[in-house]
Amino acid sequence: DSGVTQTPKHLITATGQRVTLRCSPRSGDLSVYWYQQSLDQGLQFLIHYYNGEERAKGNILERFSAQQFPDLHSELNLSSLELGDSALYFCASSVNSGSGSPLHFGNGTRLTVT
Amino acid sequence: GDSVTQMEGPVTLSEEAFLTINCTYTATGYPSLFWYVQYPGEGLQLLLKATKADDKGSNKGFEATYRKETTSFHLEKGSVQVSDSAVYFCALDGSGAGSYQLTFGKGTKLSVIP
Repeated sequence: DSGVTQTPKHLITATGQRVTLRCSPRSGDLSVYWYQQSLDQGLQFLIHYYNGEERAKGNILERFSAQQFPDLHSELNLSSLELGDSALYFCASSVNSGSGSPLHFGNGTRLTVT
Repeated sequence: GDSVTQMEGPVTLSEEAFLTINCTYTATGYPSLFWYVQYPGEGLQLLLKATKADDKGSNKGFEATYRKETTSFHLEKGSVQVSDSAVYFCALDGSGAGSYQLTFGKGTKLSVIP
């Protein structure tokens, strides 16, 4: 158990809808990262938050947004969903913001868009 | 941009066989290199890492050496077990200080049969 909690585990929704994925980092971790894992693109970095502030953006679509709250949990919002958004979305946390401290991944949220 | 290429699977080995999973990378500067493992239904777990040229990362019998001259970070294990069956991802972090933006390879599925 990595200590990172993601909810829900599975989500099935229709095209055009909006969903929210939630992540609770390990206790004491200030950084939260979001990654998308799909069959065609593999694992791709989406966005990084550190102690409530956005630190870096990767290949995140404009239809997607995220935030990190004062209690350090994070939410990833996906809107105007398309079939191609179906993927496994991972959250990871670490103590600091750089690569000196290891990333701990949650078990992911599997999103299916029909 | 940064990229990671790893051998495509699936790889099927008998128990106690020798394992090599090739990984090469393209990056500017001097990235940190990682191997992550993903067991079925779980998130990724850090297996080992190396932060500079000629460093050897090792864990649970797995080893990988950071080879700058060949831009490689091949994963090896002398004697695999059934419990090693998983998907293995090679990754690099070329973002420098401040954020942990991992670039992953496509993953190699390993199946070990008794």
